[in-house]
Amino acid sequence: SYVLTQPPSVSVAPGQTAGITCGGNNIGSKTVHWYQQKPGQAPVLVVYGDSDRPSGIPERFSGSNSGNTASLTISSVEAGDEADYYCQVWDTGSDSGVFGTGTKVTVL
Amino acid sequence: QVQLVESGGHLVKPGGSLRLSCAASGFNFGVYYMTWIRQAPGKGLEWISCISSSSATIYYAESVKGRFTISRDNAKNSLYLQMNSLRGEDTAVYYCANMVSARLGYYFDSWGQGTLVTVSS
Repeated sequence: SYVLTQPPSVSVAPGQTAGITCGGNNIGSKTVHWYQQKPGQAPVLVVYGDSDRPSGIPERFSGSNSGNTASLTISSVEAGDEADYYCQVWDTGSDSGVFGTGTKVTVL
Repeated sequence: QVQLVESGGHLVKPGGSLRLSCAASGFNFGVYYMTWIRQAPGKGLEWISCISSSSATIYYAESVKGRFTISRDNAKNSLYLQMNSLRGEDTAVYYCANMVSARLGYYFDSWGQGTLVTVSS
């Protein structure tokens, strides 16, 4: 089955930029989506289709995807961005959803 | 606005059965693929099953195949998950979500708040 690997944690100071990677074999040939999950809450979609934002999601959230790595970038990080972030693809080979291992973003 | 409300989760013994429900409102439920995703305590997200709008197409993760059955009733705007032969590793919060078609697959647009299933003797 397809595997997506994320760093367990990322720390960033307020106002700085946080980068979260999502590694997978030739992930650039797939479409990547990103979710934010705050403690005790359900996940929320923050980026879909590699780089598009749902309505209501700040422009500070952006995504890219190429080669073996997709990335979520959060610019001008705020305390409220502290959460777990998951990447996700649809594996057409197995007709299944696949989530990354998750990254905890800590705002210092 | 879109609302998804899961119910049915509670404590069950290993080997037991449980049926989860997801009540949908605020969108045209009958045209969307729907999915169940779970999260074990302190762990990441795991996709487990989805069903097409007409129920003609159903997929399962290997971890639940043969034990869980997904279904829907479009007249009642409801999604279900019948869980049989439950194991300790099925302990998790179970979320329902609607699926949106994207280039090369799907993403999960709106999520419910989840319902907790605990499998323990």
